[in-house]
Order: sequence, then structure tokens, then C-alpha cells
Amino acid sequence: EVQLVESGGGLVQPGGSLRLSCAASGFTFSSYWMSWVRQAPGKGLEWVANIKQDGSEKYYVDSVKGRFTISRDNAKNSLYLQMNSLRAEDTAVYYCARDPGIAVADYYFDYWGQGTLVTVSS
Amino acid sequence: EIVLTQSPGTLSLSPGERATLSCRASQSVSSSYLAWYQQKPGQAPRLLIYGASSRATGIPDRFSGSGSGTDFTLTISRLEPEDFAVYYCQQYGSSRGTFGPGTKVDIK
Repeated sequence: EVQLVESGGGLVQPGGSLRLSCAASGFTFSSYWMSWVRQAPGKGLEWVANIKQDGSEKYYVDSVKGRFTISRDNAKNSLYLQMNSLRAEDTAVYYCARDPGIAVADYYFDYWGQGTLVTVSS
Repeated sequence: EIVLTQSPGTLSLSPGERATLSCRASQSVSSSYLAWYQQKPGQAPRLLIYGASSRATGIPDRFSGSGSGTDFTLTISRLEPEDFAVYYCQQYGSSRGTFGPGTKVDIK
């Protein structure tokens, strides 16, 4: 059974930093593109970033470029999102999601974690 | 960027009824790269349909997707109690994908 379990969310002040983690199991983690997708409270879904199987390619939505860094550790079956210079508008539930694409990312997501809430507020 | 519009915003139906949800794109979605997700309160989204009409693993056949170009439809043939949720469409043919605002299907 595919499982994705996020952790690391919490309350942080504007300008602060947070590192999210996603532990994957039940599939060959190193074979898949992985993404972070977020959902602001009561709002819709927004793709944030993704990373290729070997970490050689990374892409970001414009609003987080230069502030967020996605990474992975295939030996630990883990995905990460380092978030710096956080803003109030980054407040959201952050989901780890698997992309079924192989050579290139498909940008749709066949498995999702339960999410971790990040609140940016003073 | 392709903007998706979903209608209606809320659909009030009874169990056993047929639900028809619409997703309209501001530009043609290449190769029918359109997905549908279901989200229940406090839960993660669940993939229902990809490629406009292909059901994801484990999805019951009462869920079906259709459409091409700019107009897509998700149909739930007979609503079960567990189907009352918010449904999002997503195009993934360009701009790294965009999601629609969602349609809430609630109990009449």
C-alpha cells in the first residue's frame, strides 16, 4: 500500500523558516517524480514544486522561487521542502504527492499524503 | 496560463441521483490532459480520473469522465453517501498544471 506521511508543519513568524518532510513507503520511491501541493484554508489547490527521480531537475511555482527548496533522499525514501522567508500567504496545508510520470513529470498526482499545516503569523 | 472554471459551485442532490459536474478551460487542454479529484473534509485529494476519461486504480465505475478541448464533464451515475464531497478538475497539459476552484456536492 502506497503511503505518504508529511511532518514538520507548525506556526512560524513572517520571515521565518520551516522544513517539511514526507516519508514514503509501499512503492519504489526512487522511480517517481515527487511534488508538493498546497491548499490555503478554505481555498483550492496549488502545485508548489517538484523534483525528478534522481534530484537532477527541480521546478517551482513563481511565488516561491528563491525562497523554497525541494530535495529528496532516495536512501531514506524521503522528500523535503525547505521554506525560508515565509509570508502570510504561504499559510496552507502542504501535501506531498506522487507524480506517475517517468521520463518527464505528468503534473497530475495519483497518491497524496494527509498533509501538514503551515501557519505564518505573528 | 490556462484558467479552469467549474460549475455549478454547489450541487445539492439526493443519494441515488445522477451528478453532472462541468469543468471549462480558458484555452484548449492539450491531449485531454485533464484530471478529476475528490476531497472530503479534513482529507487529502483522491485521484478519480486522468486523461479526461481514464479511471484511476480502485475507482468505482459509477464515476466517469468525458470531454475534450475546453469542455470536460465528471459524471457520477448514482450518488452513494460517501460521494458527497468537493470535486476539483486539473489540467496538466501546460504551465505545470492548474486546478479549478471546485464543485461541492452536498446532500439535498
